[in-house]
Amino acid sequence: GAGVSQSPRYKVAKRGQDVALRCDPISGHVSLFWYQQALGQGPEFLTYFQNEAQLDKSGLPSDRFFAERPEGSVSTLKIQRTQQEDSAVYLCASSSSLLDYEQYFGPGTRLTVT
Amino acid sequence: SQQGEEDPQALSIQEGENATMNCSYKTSINNLQWYRQNSGRGLVHLILIRSNEREKHSGRLRVTLDTSKKSSSLLITASRAADTASYFCATVGGSARQLTFGSGTQLTVLP
Repeated sequence: GAGVSQSPRYKVAKRGQDVALRCDPISGHVSLFWYQQALGQGPEFLTYFQNEAQLDKSGLPSDRFFAERPEGSVSTLKIQRTQQEDSAVYLCASSSSLLDYEQYFGPGTRLTVT
Repeated sequence: SQQGEEDPQALSIQEGENATMNCSYKTSINNLQWYRQNSGRGLVHLILIRSNEREKHSGRLRVTLDTSKKSSSLLITASRAADTASYFCATVGGSARQLTFGSGTQLTVLP
């Protein structure tokens, strides 16, 4: 079956622009996660959804970052007024149930802010 | 913030040799997982070990967990060029669902 997909795969934004990153999780997966991965580092947690409820947003670095999953499926991560330090790969992952700790990752969106 | 350190940061071996990577973490955990990331690709789950387990095998992979030392190791036996990738340990702790990743080990297997 289809895995987690993300779009766009690459995004170049000028400093100050808003961007929206999309994640399509595996169909039926309850949990959805966003991570940020800087070059040469491990991913860092941003936010977590269970169905449409955002249960944890403790990793969002500032109020310029906003995520939603209105129908409990597709999710969008929005970054307002992008800054150079936002340049990173943004990874989305989903897992099938509350009992399943294994996460399935998408290929990521590489954001470059110039 | 990263959960802890992985050791070594980089490892280069010949095809057929074994590769061992170590991971240390800081807080109590429910489980520890290992993921692989190929250049330019997403992360792929390799194996999960629960906090009450000490060792687990999956194909050519062997994972150990020592909760008293807050450390884990991943052994890849009979390595192949296709094993070349970055390897990350990641922990899940408490009531959290998210993964907390280490800094990763870059493994290069030379043909």
